[in-house]
Amino acid sequence: DQQVKQNSPSLSVQEGRISILNCDYTNSMFDYFLWYKKYPAEGPTFLISISSIKDKNEDGRFTVFLNKSAKHLSLHIVPSQPGDSAVYFCAASDTGANSKLTFGKGITLSVRP
Amino acid sequence: DAMVIQNPRYQVTQFGKPVTLSCSQTLNHNVMYWYQQKSSQAPKLLFHYYDKDFNNEADTPDNFQSRRPNTSFCFLDIRSPGLGDAAMYLCATSRVAGRQFFGPGTRLTVL
Repeated sequence: DQQVKQNSPSLSVQEGRISILNCDYTNSMFDYFLWYKKYPAEGPTFLISISSIKDKNEDGRFTVFLNKSAKHLSLHIVPSQPGDSAVYFCAASDTGANSKLTFGKGITLSVRP
Repeated sequence: DAMVIQNPRYQVTQFGKPVTLSCSQTLNHNVMYWYQQKSSQAPKLLFHYYDKDFNNEADTPDNFQSRRPNTSFCFLDIRSPGLGDAAMYLCATSRVAGRQFFGPGTRLTVL
């Protein structure tokens, strides 16, 4: 049973436009959410996170939005750049229970020049 | 730079031949994790150490074992690799909870 779902396996966006990557979760105990970026043959690298006490967190071109009632979060990248082409994983944690992260399957973002 | 290092980056083994993957960290983090990731799938947690306390996931096969001799090092032993164990193995660290720092991974091929 997938507790973190990234339902779209891929997304293609024109350079300069906005990329919106979506993630849904089912476990209401999750209180901390992260996005990781992964290039081929490399490990995931941390991108941005958000605590459940917030509904938005911004870092440069990257913004994460959290809708707790809908159990939904999204990552916005604006403007998108060709170097953003990678696999993006959404992850969630119940920090009150333990340090474990539950990952989604990832979404492959392609930014066209 | 503080980091998580995995060796080797690529490992080829034969069906049934034991293999050990290694991970080291310079971050001095309490928690170390081993994940298995297959193509187009989410990273799957195999086990983790909180300091010396070992925590096995319920669905991790007995074929997979781990050792953490000190804070900096952690090993993944696959006692009898099968074809289904071919995957990317990722090591990660964290302080207590929250953000995890990943190594580059070891790609395991089983012939």
